[in-house]
Amino acid sequence: DAGVTQSPTHLIKTRGQQVTLRCSPKSGHDTVSWYQQALGQGPQFIFQYYEEEERQRGNFPDRFSGHQFPNYSSELNVNALLLGDSALYLCASSSGRDPYEQYFGPGTRLTVT
Amino acid sequence: EDQVTQSPEALRLQEGESSSLNCSYTVSGLRGLFWYRQDPGKGPEFLFTLYSAGEEKEKERLKATLTKKESFLHITAPKPEDSATYLCAARGAGSYQLTFGKGTKLSVIP
Repeated sequence: DAGVTQSPTHLIKTRGQQVTLRCSPKSGHDTVSWYQQALGQGPQFIFQYYEEEERQRGNFPDRFSGHQFPNYSSELNVNALLLGDSALYLCASSSGRDPYEQYFGPGTRLTVT
Repeated sequence: EDQVTQSPEALRLQEGESSSLNCSYTVSGLRGLFWYRQDPGKGPEFLFTLYSAGEEKEKERLKATLTKKESFLHITAPKPEDSATYLCAARGAGSYQLTFGKGTKLSVIP
């Protein structure tokens, strides 16, 4: 049973550039949430997608946007990258019938220089 | 605003020395208290969900308990492979997000 997968594993970008991160949910899950985890901190909620719509958003600027596809996979896009965007980006999937338990992928480590 | 506070920030134990990690939460209408384990550079691994005060769950050397204000993760006779950061998260009524604490970094020394 495939778990949550994310790509790429690592990414290095320059300030001002744009980046796209990808996530495939665990088999049987239809809901995807994105979190940002800075070094030494707990994950911070960015947004959640369900039925191809953004269902809830955390306190992140509009530079952070996302998309969910009909196969439930999802993308996170970040525009106009800042040095402070350097972090581990985590995708978590859950079932729409039981959205409480979220299972995380391995993350994408983004470094902005 | 939902808040989750974990203590201590770091804990060093000798192998076999039992202890507890604390998670205090302020959440409007708790809809779940979650424990995760995270190894360096990896995603959090789901451990437990607790929904109501008095509930307990166990998995190998770990036992999680819940009161109306706190949750504890008890570690019995830990082994070096239990070394990791343990994260606590809460979910409130009408919300789909998990609010995380900063975690407790556990080191178990052989």
